[in-house]
Amino acid sequence: AQKVTQAQTEISVVEKEDVTLDCVYETRDTTYYLFWYKQPPSGELVFLIRRNSFDEQNEISGRYSWNFQKSTSSFNFTITASQVVDSAVYFCALRQYNTGNQFYFGTGTSLTVIP
Amino acid sequence: ETGVTQTPRHLVMGMTNKKSLKCEQHLGHNAMYWYKQSAKKPLELMFVYSLEERVENNSVPSRFSPECPNSSHLFLHLHTLQPEDSALYLCASSQDRLTGLAGGVSYNEQFFGPGTRLTVL
Repeated sequence: AQKVTQAQTEISVVEKEDVTLDCVYETRDTTYYLFWYKQPPSGELVFLIRRNSFDEQNEISGRYSWNFQKSTSSFNFTITASQVVDSAVYFCALRQYNTGNQFYFGTGTSLTVIP
Repeated sequence: ETGVTQTPRHLVMGMTNKKSLKCEQHLGHNAMYWYKQSAKKPLELMFVYSLEERVENNSVPSRFSPECPNSSHLFLHLHTLQPEDSALYLCASSQDRLTGLAGGVSYNEQFFGPGTRLTVL
């Protein structure tokens, strides 16, 4: 079964709009780690955030914010006032405590910000 | 050099060739990974090395052979590949640490290299 689901394959927004990228995960572990990565056209995945399962505080970093909801197994990512440089593929990933070597990545959401 | 570097960035090879991909991390990390990224598919974890020991091999065909001579270097040796092996191959590293709490481990984020775009003709 797929452990990380990113249902949105492609999203297009106009510059300055807000956009939320959805991520739903599946795990039986009570301890786990969630990540978001950005992959710009250059190809290199860039780490954005790590969240531990025991820390449900939402986090804001500049125009980026993350909403972690254990009750719905979701870890959504919002970009406020989007910019053209935000255009990239965004990946959500899960790493379980008991099988720590395996990172489970979603299929990614391709975001295009139109000027 | 900083971060994770990969060479070559692009590689075109025939099915009978033998080539190697190289990855080097300059972060002092203790784990390194090979991933395959194909269009419209999730990243596929191929191999994991922790402290130079292979700890994961996800049923990868034997035409892919990893080598980790030390904690900073990782190779992927390729031979008799198939056209469906054409993809972006990504290397990553991470620093995982023991928390000291009942053998617990804190798993940290992976840092990725820019990838090698491989085309098999």
